[in-house]
Amino acid sequence: DIQMTQSPSILSASVGDSVTISCRASQSVSSWLAWYQQKPGKAPKLLIYKASSLESGVPSRFSGSGFGTEFTLTISSLQPDDFATYYCQQYKSYWTFGQGTKVEIK
Amino acid sequence: EVQLLESGGALVQPGGSLRLSCEGSGFSFSTYAMSWVRQAPGKGLEWVSTISYSGGDTDYADSVKGRFTISRDNSKNTLYLEMNSLRAEDTAFYYCAKAPYSSGRVYFHYWGQGTLVTVSS
Repeated sequence: DIQMTQSPSILSASVGDSVTISCRASQSVSSWLAWYQQKPGKAPKLLIYKASSLESGVPSRFSGSGFGTEFTLTISSLQPDDFATYYCQQYKSYWTFGQGTKVEIK
Repeated sequence: EVQLLESGGALVQPGGSLRLSCEGSGFSFSTYAMSWVRQAPGKGLEWVSTISYSGGDTDYADSVKGRFTISRDNSKNTLYLEMNSLRAEDTAFYYCAKAPYSSGRVYFHYWGQGTLVTVSS
């Protein structure tokens, strides 16, 4: 089974900050990686697929990068609406999520 | 507009059974793979099961294999999850999710609002 590990678990930041969330796979997943945003009481929302492809309608301040086992999600200028929990997910071999990174207001 | 509406969540005793449904609208349901993902209260996301567009291929997480069955009725635009031998650790919000393709390496493009399953005596 492919395990996904995100860091940090909690990230404190201010509006306007640039933030980066890391995701590591226990074995190569090539580019078969997605990122989701989830707000309390809501369903997850797709942000990024195939490691770096931005889903339609998602603001361009979100970007993804990486290949193989190391991936990052960057939010270039944090907005009030961005405070949420973010999950990475591999879909190379079945489906596995990271444990989540909560982005909170500093 | 893609819409996914889950139903069937309830309080059930350990060892009991439940069937969840997810009705899709706003897209050609029979063309896309569909999945179930769950989230225990206050915890992270866990993939449960995926079914191909035709229903011919299914996959399950080890934690539910042999107890849960995914199926679909394309004539009714509806996805199902039959859950048997329920355990306390199955307590979670269950989301259905639409894939962007018919099968294969798919991510979860659209999600329903979720339905709560509580397993407790």
